[in-house]
Amino acid sequence: NAGVTQTPKFQVLKTGQSMTLQCAQDMNHNSMYWYRQDPGMGLRLIYYSASEGTTDKGEVPNGYNVSRLNKREFSLRLESAAPSQTSVYFCASSAHRDRAYEQYFGPGTRLTVT
Amino acid sequence: GQSLEQPSEVTAVEGAIVQINCTYQTSGFYGLSWYQQHDGGAPTFLSYNALDGLEETGRFSSFLSRSDSYGYLLLQELQMKDSASYFCGGNTDKLIFGTGTRLQVFP
Repeated sequence: NAGVTQTPKFQVLKTGQSMTLQCAQDMNHNSMYWYRQDPGMGLRLIYYSASEGTTDKGEVPNGYNVSRLNKREFSLRLESAAPSQTSVYFCASSAHRDRAYEQYFGPGTRLTVT
Repeated sequence: GQSLEQPSEVTAVEGAIVQINCTYQTSGFYGLSWYQQHDGGAPTFLSYNALDGLEETGRFSSFLSRSDSYGYLLLQELQMKDSASYFCGGNTDKLIFGTGTRLQVFP
């Protein structure tokens, strides 16, 4: 039981490049979330998927897109990376939307945009 | 908008008790969660208050007062391993996190 896994662990991009961050969970959870965390800062919600087939914007969605591929997988895409998107990205899941208060986090992807 | 404010840093010594406060400016939260994050690690869930009052989980307790839009996390018998950042979060069908408090425990 791996919990929440994220790939890659580290990535360096040049401004304007695109990439997709992958997230998968094996806990049969219905809800999944993407956050970014800047140095010394809190976690800000980018997008979330309360259930398979739905996605909603969070606090900071600009510059990102998401895909809930199936119940297990939720990907985050940067279409044209900018230095302001340098951050640590965390994916998380919860059993369902009514248990959003208890989330399980992946190890994070450390992204640098130069 | 929705915002949750926490002190940026708290220091204490081993064996002591420390309280980390969280005040929020929003309506509509169902309750208040607390998470711990060690440097370089991922956040981990500590506790949740759906109702006003105190919830106790071992050395950690959490409190919520909806009428005061206020909660706190109480850590007792502090250990060095408790040095970490602590985040409160208000939930609906998603979680909005507070600004975070860095706790440093000294020997």
